[in-house]
Amino acid sequence: DTGVSQDPRHKITKRGQNVTFRCDPISEHNRLYWYRQTLGQGPEFLTYFQNEAQLEKSRLLSDRFSAERPKGSFSTLEIQRTEQGDSAMYLCASSHSQGDYEQYFGPGTRLTVT
Amino acid sequence: GQSLEQPSEVTAVEGAIVQINCTYQTSGFYGLSWYQQHDGGAPTFLSYNALDGLEETGRFSSFLSRSDSYGYLLLQELQMKDSASYFCAVREGRSNYQLIWGAGTKLIIKP
Repeated sequence: DTGVSQDPRHKITKRGQNVTFRCDPISEHNRLYWYRQTLGQGPEFLTYFQNEAQLEKSRLLSDRFSAERPKGSFSTLEIQRTEQGDSAMYLCASSHSQGDYEQYFGPGTRLTVT
Repeated sequence: GQSLEQPSEVTAVEGAIVQINCTYQTSGFYGLSWYQQHDGGAPTFLSYNALDGLEETGRFSSFLSRSDSYGYLLLQELQMKDSASYFCAVREGRSNYQLIWGAGTKLIIKP
């Protein structure tokens, strides 16, 4: 397995447009996380899946954000009506239920909203 | 509120030892993790402490004192490749898998 992958790596969009990001976790990992990171800050938790179930969602997460993991494998994160404040690096991570304290991160998708 | 405090920047010399501290104030505590992130890269896991004491993994060690809400990462025999940002992150509960992250410590290593 080559690790966690994310697509696209970079996305430039105009304010008001919708964007969708994809994350493919390590195949045997049943837990998947989405984080957002801005320059000079640590990652900020967005949401978490165990298999296909979305079990946690940040209280700070706007209704414009939605995530799915339809078959318990890959996941998508959609941002509707993007705003300039959404510009950030979106990181996906996965972990196994055993040893779940160790999260493996993908390379991230850098979103720029103009 | 929830907060993790760590120094914003630390400078050290190649071959030396450096300690990066982390104090936390969270609604719950289950464990403290440390991650390394190079510029433009993804965070990579370094260590995890759930119980008080020192965990050693090669050149890196991590310490936790739950009573003091404090931990540190110790890096020995520093190499230039250790130049990166280091983040502490708290897991608040056994069934709570989200991590709360500090703002990171940028480690600058001079030859």
